[in-house]
Amino acid sequence: AAGVIQSPRHLIKEKRETATLKCYPIPRHDTVYWYQQGPGQDPQFLISFYEKMQSDKGSIPDRFSAQQFSDYHSELNMSSLELGDSALYFCASSDNKRRGRYNEQFFGPGTRLTVL
Amino acid sequence: GQQLNQSPQSMFIQEGEDVSMNCTSSSIFNTWLWYKQDPGEGPVLLIALYKAGELTSNGRLTAQFGITRKDSFLNISASIPSDVGIYFCAGQVGGNTPLVFGKGTRLSVIA
Repeated sequence: AAGVIQSPRHLIKEKRETATLKCYPIPRHDTVYWYQQGPGQDPQFLISFYEKMQSDKGSIPDRFSAQQFSDYHSELNMSSLELGDSALYFCASSDNKRRGRYNEQFFGPGTRLTVL
Repeated sequence: GQQLNQSPQSMFIQEGEDVSMNCTSSSIFNTWLWYKQDPGEGPVLLIALYKAGELTSNGRLTAQFGITRKDSFLNISASIPSDVGIYFCAGQVGGNTPLVFGKGTRLSVIA
């Protein structure tokens, strides 16, 4: 079965540079979530989109922005990168047309961002 | 914000032993999920629970949604080396709301 695709898998940037992470959800999934996971930490929610509209917002810095496009893929844009932004960034997708049950979140393999 | 207390933090067990881990919360969740994460990879969904009191199995894994909706446990029977990894519980309030994760249980299996 098709899974969530994220690109790139690895990214190395310098401080104050910008980065763009891409997420392609499972086909027919309408909701995308972004999570950040620091070393030895649990994933922390950043932001989500349902049907191309922002749905929920978590601990996402003002330097970051995201959007979901008409084909449901999503991009996380990160500017003025700081050393502390080094982390694994995961995208997850779910199908929320099926209300209530069965709208589990499935995670992609992640993008490892290293800021030097 | 909401927090999940997951225990134990780590476990070292012999191959073939059973394992149990649990999560508690001070607030109610309407969905509980259990994920396994290998190093450098994304969390993989193991079991999802939607109803208080629900007991669900997936092979050697069994999980329960606590009756108060504030806790859940995961059992792994007859552990094997490939069970090694970090297990996360996650709670969800509503259908397309964000997941709140526990701190994880790191499982090591000694052959």
